[in-house]
Amino acid sequence: AQKVTQAQTEISVVEKEDVTLDCVYETRDTTYYLFWYKQPPSGELVFLIRRNSFDEQNEISGRYSWNFQKSTSSFNFTITASQVVDSAVYFCALSEAGGGGSQGNLIFGKGTKLSVKP
Amino acid sequence: GAGVSQTPSNKVTEKGKYVELRCDPISGHTALYWYRQSLGQGPEFLIYFQGTGAADDSGLPNDRFFAVRPEGSVSTLKIQRTERGDSAVYLCASRARVDTEAFFGQGTRLTVV
Repeated sequence: AQKVTQAQTEISVVEKEDVTLDCVYETRDTTYYLFWYKQPPSGELVFLIRRNSFDEQNEISGRYSWNFQKSTSSFNFTITASQVVDSAVYFCALSEAGGGGSQGNLIFGKGTKLSVKP
Repeated sequence: GAGVSQTPSNKVTEKGKYVELRCDPISGHTALYWYRQSLGQGPEFLIYFQGTGAADDSGLPNDRFFAVRPEGSVSTLKIQRTERGDSAVYLCASRARVDTEAFFGQGTRLTVV
């Protein structure tokens, strides 16, 4: 069965600090996709990044970077030089594609609430 | 429209009543998902449609909850005999394929009084 664990419930940092949000997943499939979403106080879930299981190359987009490690089943998200506007709840999600019964399902972790203080 | 649309945005109902929540996905998206999100929690999976059929309804909490997608586009989540514990934001999402991102609607905030 697929499962996503975000052990950090809440994180509070001061502006300009770097912060890493952890995500650990469980799946039996060899083909799967990982996602990060942001949910600001307005409530709408905003897509940030997608990564497939065959691509372990880390990705950087501006102040955001993602570290995917299959060996530890982790897909961590780092914000460099955090800003107040980064304050939100961040969700990691997993979708299996290998036909193992839950193909196509999209499961979320419980989220990490990030507060960036000025 | 360009995005996922959910109606109504807010719904207040009395305990024991029946409610319907509507989701209009992005045109052409074959996969449609319903989630329930309580305050401070992550989206809790309810049901997933691939086309007209429910590919996975294992998240529906009990038989008071039912969802349909008769023409493979618009979906309706139906809740019978509502209870106060059903109060939450109900989110709908759609995506084109399993390897693409899901797009979410703004949600329907259901309050059972």
